[in-house]
Amino acid sequence: NAGVTQTPKFQVLKTGQSMTLQCAQDMNHEYMSWYRQDPGMGLRLIHYSVGAGITDQGEVPNGYNVSRSTTEDFPLRLLSAAPSQTSVYFCASSSSRSWAAGETQYFGPGTRLLVL
Amino acid sequence: DQQVKQNSPSLSVQEGRISILNCDYTNSMFDYFLWYKKYPAEGPTFLISISSIKDKNEDGRFTVFLNKSAKHLSLHIVPSQPGDSAVYFCAASDRGSTLGRLYFGRGTQLTVWP
Repeated sequence: NAGVTQTPKFQVLKTGQSMTLQCAQDMNHEYMSWYRQDPGMGLRLIHYSVGAGITDQGEVPNGYNVSRSTTEDFPLRLLSAAPSQTSVYFCASSSSRSWAAGETQYFGPGTRLLVL
Repeated sequence: DQQVKQNSPSLSVQEGRISILNCDYTNSMFDYFLWYKKYPAEGPTFLISISSIKDKNEDGRFTVFLNKSAKHLSLHIVPSQPGDSAVYFCAASDRGSTLGRLYFGRGTQLTVWP
């Protein structure tokens, strides 16, 4: 049971390049989400999914796309990277969509992204 | 507009003493509060939570207090241990939300020294 895994751990991009941050979980969780953490800031929700085929925007969705074709995977795509997207990205999953989801959210180890 | 605020970016405490981490919130709809702990190069891990129907929740060395009228909560760690050194995030949720979405504070770096 690997929990939530994220790849890559670290990535450097040039402005305008595209890339996909991978996230996978093996706990059969319905709910998955992406957060970004910037220096001096808390985690901010980018996109989330409540099940395969269902996604929605969070607090800071601009510049990011997501899809959820399987229960296990929830990739985050940057179509045209910008320096403002330099951040640490965390994927999380949960077994519950309810208000208590926060208690059971499991976070991945993060992907550190630098956009030059 | 930060709805969850942790105004102390850092806290340094001697081993064995009490650590008190504070958190304020502005949204009166928040009724569920959580603390997460984060070590370097790892994702946050859930620590303890409290519902707005309570004013205290305890789990071993960790106790969370909630003052709804002041929109303030605090995390007490007694006794503090060097292994508690980490960043602590306060988070809040509105149970009326269909998402159970979390709003995070900026975090407090706790350092426990021997």
